[in-house]
Amino acid sequence: KAGVTQTPRYLIKTRGQQVTLSCSPISGHRSVSWYQQTPGQGLQFLFEYFSETQRNKGNFPGRFSGRQFSNSRSEMNVSTLELGDSALYLCASSADRVGGYTFGSGTRLTVV
Amino acid sequence: GENVEQHPSTLSVQEGDSAVIKCTYSDSASNYFPWYKQELGKRPQLIIDIRSNVGEKKDQRIAVTLNKTAKHFSLHITETQPEDSAVYFCAAWNTGNQFYFGTGTSLTVIP
Repeated sequence: KAGVTQTPRYLIKTRGQQVTLSCSPISGHRSVSWYQQTPGQGLQFLFEYFSETQRNKGNFPGRFSGRQFSNSRSEMNVSTLELGDSALYLCASSADRVGGYTFGSGTRLTVV
Repeated sequence: GENVEQHPSTLSVQEGDSAVIKCTYSDSASNYFPWYKQELGKRPQLIIDIRSNVGEKKDQRIAVTLNKTAKHFSLHITETQPEDSAVYFCAAWNTGNQFYFGTGTSLTVIP
């Protein structure tokens, strides 16, 4: 059974650009959550999608957005990148939002 | 919203000794408490979890205890081994809401 797949693994972008990250959940999982991990702030919740609908959103500016497709794959978009957006972005999937979330390996975003 | 505090931030133990990491939460509606292990450069991996209707759960050398009244839960690792060295995160989840993570504990097991 394939795990949670995130692409790309590494990304370098310039301030002001935008970026799209992708997350393919475990087959059959309908819930996908996104997290930002930084040394100073730890794991911060961005948003969660379930059955193509955003169910929850964390305290991040509107530059951070996401969506989920009918096959449960999810994308996260960050517009007008800032240096402070440099982080490891992790997604996690679950079958039913009740527990058992499995994380992907993450996308390491560096903004220069 | 929920607030999860995790202690200690760093922990060093001798191989074979036990390690205990504690977390407290503030929202009494939180009902699911997983623990994740993250090795350097790798993804967080679920190692054990507990739901609010259970007081203790054990899986080989790892156990988690939950005190709903005091709103705290703990991870216990017995007979520690060097491969247990990693950062451990606790989290609290309110079904239909979101995960709130602790700030992590860096565990070092000294051979």
